[in-house]
Amino acid sequence: SQQGEEDPQALSIQEGENATMNCSYKTSINNLQWYRQNSGRGLVHLILIRSNEREKHSGRLRVTLDTSKKSSSLLITASRAADTASYFCATPLYNAGNMLTFGGGTRLMVKP
Amino acid sequence: NAGVTQTPKFQVLKTGQSMTLQCAQDMNHEYMSWYRQDPGMGLRLIHYSVGAGITDQGEVPNGYNVSRSTTEDFPLRLLSAAPSQTSVYFCASSRLESGELFFGEGSRLTVL
Repeated sequence: SQQGEEDPQALSIQEGENATMNCSYKTSINNLQWYRQNSGRGLVHLILIRSNEREKHSGRLRVTLDTSKKSSSLLITASRAADTASYFCATPLYNAGNMLTFGGGTRLMVKP
Repeated sequence: NAGVTQTPKFQVLKTGQSMTLQCAQDMNHEYMSWYRQDPGMGLRLIHYSVGAGITDQGEVPNGYNVSRSTTEDFPLRLLSAAPSQTSVYFCASSRLESGELFFGEGSRLTVL
């Protein structure tokens, strides 16, 4: 069963606006990751945040993690049309090494 | 540096046919895995391997076999294809020390 669930399922914004996607998960984790998938392509790793971190930045990306609420958010600032993609959160599968379980994703459309 | 290479990119099978999806990585990663992606379901783990000669089942292993005879290759076998196996299949690899997954571009399989 899926551990993470993204919200919203779809998001449409104008170029230059900020996009916020949320992820909720069910069990305790030691890290949470965000991935991006362009249409018809494989997933690409964006950022990993560990359970002892509350916030992490990478370029225009800002990820937060609230372990007490079992939730994370991904903020993309000053969005561009090229940011149009699906975004997935992923958490470690119990007792399966580095394997991950993924949520259903948020489809982001950035209009020029 | 090719990363993770999957073949074929597209395949159409008839119910009951068998086939193998190939996956190769040139990053000397210890971990390799196969996921399937269905609309609205995110990615689900089929099988994974933590090293040559070692494989284990993921979330949805039924109907699939894997083997890992070398570090580089991790083929996924469908012994008797069923329409429920129509999906996009992704191979991924990762280093032992890192949780980040590197994905191939996917193999789109249709079973009629």
